[in-house]
Amino acid sequence: EEQLVESGGGLVKPGGSLRLSCSASGFTFRSYNMNWVRQAPGKGLEWVSSISSTSSYIYYTDSLKGRFTISRDNAKNSLYLQMNSLRAEDTAVYYCARDRGFGEFDFWGQGTLVTVSS
Amino acid sequence: QSALTQPRSVSGSPGQSVTISCTGTSSDVGGYNYVSWYQHHPGKAPKFMIYDVSKRPSGVPDRFSGSKSGNTASLTISGLQAEDEADYYCCSYAGSYTWVFGGGTKVTVL
Repeated sequence: EEQLVESGGGLVKPGGSLRLSCSASGFTFRSYNMNWVRQAPGKGLEWVSSISSTSSYIYYTDSLKGRFTISRDNAKNSLYLQMNSLRAEDTAVYYCARDRGFGEFDFWGQGTLVTVSS
Repeated sequence: QSALTQPRSVSGSPGQSVTISCTGTSSDVGGYNYVSWYQHHPGKAPKFMIYDVSKRPSGVPDRFSGSKSGNTASLTISGLQAEDEADYYCCSYAGSYTWVFGGGTKVTVL
C-alpha cells in the first residue's frame, strides 16, 4: 500500500526553526518528483516547494524569500522541509505530495500541523 | 503568484450537476493546459481528480469532468452524490516550474 506520512510539526515561536519529514512507502520513491503544499487555517491550498527525483531541480514559491529548504534522501525514502525564521503566517497544515507527471499531484499524505505562536 | 479565484461555495441536490469555476490569468490558467483539480475532505488527504484540464485519473468516476476557456477552468460534477460533498481546489502551472492553487470551493449536497 502506498503511503506518505508527514511528521515533525508542532508549536514553535516566531523566528524559530522546524524540520518536517515525509516518509514514503509502497512505491519507488526515487522515481518521483515530490512537493510540499500547505493549508493555513480557513484558507486554501498553497504550493510551497518541489524537488526532482534526483534533487537536481528545486523550486520554491516566491513568498518564502529563502527561509525554507527542501531536500530528500532516496536511500531513506524520505522528503524534508527545513523551515527557518518562522512567522505566524507560516502556521498551516503541511502536506507532502507526489507528482506523477507535470503538476499531477496524485498522492498526498495526511499532513502535519505547524503552529507559529509566542 | 496570486491564488486562482474560485467561488467559495456551490450547492446542488442529489442527481443535479454543479460547476466550479477557477479563474486565473494568461500567466497561469490561460497560458498552459496544466490545470488539475483536487477533492479534499477536511482532515483527510486531498484526492487527485482531474489533470491536464480534462483528463481523469483511473478510478475517478466519469461524473467528474474538466474544461477550460481562456483564463477560466471549470470542474463539473454530474449526477451529484452525497459523497461528493467536500472542498475542491484547482491548481495551475504558473511558469518557471511553480504552481498556484485556487482558494477552494465548498460543495454542499442539499
